[in-house]
Amino acid sequence: DTEVTQTPKHLVMGMTNKKSLKCEQHMGHRAMYWYKQKAKKPPELMFVYSYEKLSINESVPSRFSPECPNSSLLNLHLHALQPEDSALYLCASSQGLAGGQRYNEQFFGPGTRLTVL
Amino acid sequence: RKEVEQDPGPFNVPEGATVAFNCTYSNSASQSFFWYRQDCRKEPKLLMSVYSSGNEDGRFTAQLNRASQYISLLIRDSKLSDSATYLCVVEYNFNKFYFGSGTKLNVKP
Repeated sequence: DTEVTQTPKHLVMGMTNKKSLKCEQHMGHRAMYWYKQKAKKPPELMFVYSYEKLSINESVPSRFSPECPNSSLLNLHLHALQPEDSALYLCASSQGLAGGQRYNEQFFGPGTRLTVL
Repeated sequence: RKEVEQDPGPFNVPEGATVAFNCTYSNSASQSFFWYRQDCRKEPKLLMSVYSSGNEDGRFTAQLNRASQYISLLIRDSKLSDSATYLCVVEYNFNKFYFGSGTKLNVKP
C-alpha cells in the first residue's frame, strides 16, 4: 500500500473559523510533511515531522498549527486564516532519516483544496 | 537566487519525439535529487530518483552532475500521456525539500 490519504478533499472556511486537515499513511514511514501549493506554483514546504517530532518549521504563521498524534497521522489545525491562505495543502510521507536516496522518496496525498472567504 | 531553477517551458513536442529538461540547484551540499510529474489539479507523483551514476527507467533517463550542480531528465519516444508538468526536487539539511517551478510538457499527436 503506497497510499497517503487526506481529508477533506475540499474545504471552505471563513476567517473566524477553526478547522483541521487530516493526513494518514500506513506505509510505516517515519517522516511526514505539509506543503502549500498556490495555482501555477510549485509546492512550498511548511512543516516536517520526523519520528513524530517537529523537525522543520519553515517560518509558517502561527495560524497554522501542525500536530502528529502518532506515526501514521498528521493534522494541520487552521485558525483565523486569511484569504491569501487559499491554496492546495498537500501531505507527503517518506521512510525517514535513515539516510540514502530511497529513504527520502516522498509520496503525496491528493491534497485538500482550501478556500478562505 | 532560487534554490532550484527550471525552464518553465512549455515544451511542445510531437509524439515520438525525444525531449530533455534541465534543472540547476544552488546548494552544493544537496544530498538527494528527484523528478516528479504533476498533472493539472493533481498531486505530484514520483517519477524517479536521480543517482550520481545516472539511471534509466524505460523511456526515462536521469542524470546528475554534481560539479556543475544540475540534473537532467530525458524522455524518449514521447507519448500523449507524458503531457504534464515535470518538477525537479532537491533535498538537503535532512528532509528539507525544494521544488523547482516546474517545466510544462505538451505532447501533440
